[in-house]
Amino acid sequence: ETGVTQSPTHLIKTRGQQVTLRCSSQSGHNTVSWYQQALGQGPQFIFQYYREEENGRGNFPPRFSGLQFPNYSSELNVNALELDDSALYLCASSSGPTHQPQHFGDGTRLSIL
Amino acid sequence: KQEVTQIPAALSVPEGENLVLNCSFTDSAIYNLQWFRQDPGKGLTSLLLIQSSQREQTSGRLNASLDKSSGRSTLYIAASQPGDSATYLCAVRDNYGQNFVFGPGTRLSVLP
Repeated sequence: ETGVTQSPTHLIKTRGQQVTLRCSSQSGHNTVSWYQQALGQGPQFIFQYYREEENGRGNFPPRFSGLQFPNYSSELNVNALELDDSALYLCASSSGPTHQPQHFGDGTRLSIL
Repeated sequence: KQEVTQIPAALSVPEGENLVLNCSFTDSAIYNLQWFRQDPGKGLTSLLLIQSSQREQTSGRLNASLDKSSGRSTLYIAASQPGDSATYLCAVRDNYGQNFVFGPGTRLSVLP
């Protein structure tokens, strides 16, 4: 059984650029949740995708957007990057949108210069 | 709005000591509470999950307790080892069960 994988591992961008992060969910999982973890803080919920639709969103601006594909893998897109977007981005997959255990990937470290 | 806090923010102990990490949450209407471990620059490893109807869970040298009515959980680590050095995160899920609300973590250093 393949776990949750995220790519790339590390990424460096400059202010104003756009970035796409990818997450492959665990086999049998149809739900992906994305979290942002700033240095020294706990992860914060960005949004969740269930069966290719956004299914709940945290307190993040619209320049954070996502997609989920028919194979349930997911992308997180961030436009107009700001310095405060520097963080570890974690995705978690689960077998349903609520109450199911979430399995986390190792994250993508995004640095904004 | 649910808020989760953890005390202390950082802890340094000599090897072999027993220690307690604390987690508090403001809304007692939770579905479950989970403790995670995070090594530097890495993802989250689940340690213990306590359902709202449970009082405690144990795994090896780890014991987690939950007092839902007072909004508190503790993680007890027995006979600490240098390999326990990591950040420990507490997270709660509300009764809708969709996403976690995380605390800021406790950074633990166990000195040989």
